[in-house]
This record gives sequence, structure tokens and C-alpha cells, in this order.
Amino acid sequence: AQKITQTQPGMFVQEKEAVTLDCTYDTSDPSYGLFWYKQPSSGEMIFLIYQGSYDQQNATEGRYSLNFQKARKSANLVISASQLGDSAMYFCAMRDDTGNQFYFGTGTSLTVIP
Amino acid sequence: DAGVIQSPRHEVTEMGQEVTLRCKPISGHDYLFWYRQTMMRGLELLIYFNNNVPIDDSGMPEDRFSAKMPNASFSTLKIQPSEPRDSAVYFCASSFLLQGRTQYFGPGTRLTVL
Repeated sequence: AQKITQTQPGMFVQEKEAVTLDCTYDTSDPSYGLFWYKQPSSGEMIFLIYQGSYDQQNATEGRYSLNFQKARKSANLVISASQLGDSAMYFCAMRDDTGNQFYFGTGTSLTVIP
Repeated sequence: DAGVIQSPRHEVTEMGQEVTLRCKPISGHDYLFWYRQTMMRGLELLIYFNNNVPIDDSGMPEDRFSAKMPNASFSTLKIQPSEPRDSAVYFCASSFLLQGRTQYFGPGTRLTVL
């Protein structure tokens, strides 16, 4: 069963605008973690942001914030003030209760338009 | 601090040859993961280690693949004999207890088997 679903294969956003990348997850574990990674065309996987299932507040890291809605099982990434360098693939991932297994989504390709 | 180090960054080999990919995790991290990324299958977990011990190798595609972690600072993924369908980007990642067990990825090894 697919654990992480990213329904937007491709997204476009105007430079300086905000964009939301969707992610829904499926788990019955009481404790889990949610992550977003960025993969630019150069290929490396860059960790962006983490949200624990028990965290009361949404995680933020600079221009990145994670809109965590536990009841809806969604963990959307919001990028504010988009920059050209934000053009990349973005992967949502979930860590299970054991802390070992990561489940990755299929990714969303974001293109920032000047 | 140095991140996860992988070598080589690119490998081109001929079918039937042995390929060895190398990884140095972040110092102090107790988990090490090997992933494979292809367009068709996305990011797949091959195997992971905890404190140098292989925990789950269910993702290793077949007996041609083997992985070792002789000490806390070094791991290898070996393919023998290699086949064209093994062409992919191979990532090594490591994690530690803090920050929700965030996995930090190396730059990857792009393997091409002719």
C-alpha cells in the first residue's frame, strides 16, 4: 500500500509568489515523522524540513513551512517568495514508528517562472 | 562538518563487470541506508545498517547485489556481475536519533552499465 501520495507531478509558480506542494500519507502508527527533500537537476537530495507527529506547531525553516494537518493526514510544503533556484523535484517522505523505514512519494517537479 | 561522502560520483562499466560503490556516513550517525533511484521506479531502499549490522536487505534486487559495513565510517555496495538494468543513481544516506532521524543523503553515484 502506498504510504505517501504526491498528486502533483508538475507545478509552476511565478517568481516571488508562494507555492504549496501537496502530500498525503497513510499510517496507523501513533508516532511518525514527515520530511521534505529537494532534488535539483544536479541530483543531490537536500533535506528541507521535518515535522514530528506529536509536534503541536507547524515546522518552519526559513522560506519553507510544513502545513501539518494530522486529522487529514496531510503534510503540505509551502515555499514562500519563490526563487529561480527553487526549481527542482520535491519529495515528501514519512518515517515509520520504528524510526528506520522511510517511505518516499513520487515527487513533484516545481518550475519557478521569472 | 562533512556530509555523507560517496565515491565514485560517476561510474561507467560494461555488462558483466564488478562494480563497487563506496560510502562514508556522517560521523556519529548510527544508521546507514543504500537507495537506488531510477525514472521508472523512483527511490527504492535497498538495504540499511544499524551500528554496522545489516538490518533489512529485503530491497536488494537479487544475489548480484551485496553490501557491507566493516566499520562505522565505511560501507560498500557491490554489484557482481553488473547488468544494463542496474543503471541508476545510487544514494547512501545516514541518520542519527536527533531531529526525528532525518536521513542525510550523499551526492549519489551515477552508474551506467553498457
